[in-house]
Amino acid sequence: EDQVTQSPEALRLQEGESSSLNCSYTVSGLRGLFWYRQDPGKGPEFLFTLYSAGEEKEKERLKATLTKKESFLHITAPKPEDSATYLCAVLSTPSGTYKYIFGTGTRLKVLA
Amino acid sequence: NAGVMQNPRHLVRRRGQEARLRCSPMKGHSHVYWYRQLPEEGLKFMVYLQKENIIDESGMPKERFSAEFPKEGPSILRIQQVVRGDSAAYFCASSLPGTSYEQYFGPGTRLTVT
Repeated sequence: EDQVTQSPEALRLQEGESSSLNCSYTVSGLRGLFWYRQDPGKGPEFLFTLYSAGEEKEKERLKATLTKKESFLHITAPKPEDSATYLCAVLSTPSGTYKYIFGTGTRLKVLA
Repeated sequence: NAGVMQNPRHLVRRRGQEARLRCSPMKGHSHVYWYRQLPEEGLKFMVYLQKENIIDESGMPKERFSAEFPKEGPSILRIQQVVRGDSAAYFCASSLPGTSYEQYFGPGTRLTVT
């Protein structure tokens, strides 16, 4: 069964304390892996798309990487404004269908 | 450059009433997706639509739920005879045609069934 698992569920960091969030997946026919940020009461905000193992994308303090079984979102020297829930999603296309599967997210809190 | 718009933002319905949720995609986006999010749970895919066509509705409950994306106007998610378990945040996302599959989300409609 296709599955996306994110860890940890919650993470508290001091400002400036770098860390990584994990997204592991088991899907058939991966077409893409996506990272989103979601603030309370709002819709997810698109961050990155990764298509193949070895690919990396960067944006400000965030860097996303992809292997054949997992993706990491590295946060370098985080600031309090980086506090949010980070969601990972995969798109697979088994038998011509389109299946977007989201993980349950990592709730990040960055303390000043 | 408006993003994805959803209305209403908050909707209260009594059990047994109908709920209609609207989604206007970003300009130039012809693909629309609906998701449901329960507290402390992840986003659950419901349906994927293109103009006048349902591509994948495998996440949609078989009864009481329907979705459409007409040639003109917004996409509509319709829930008939709502029950308390339908209370959730419903998000719409849109994407460009092609192969990028990047989805851009609206602010959501929070449905409360009393």
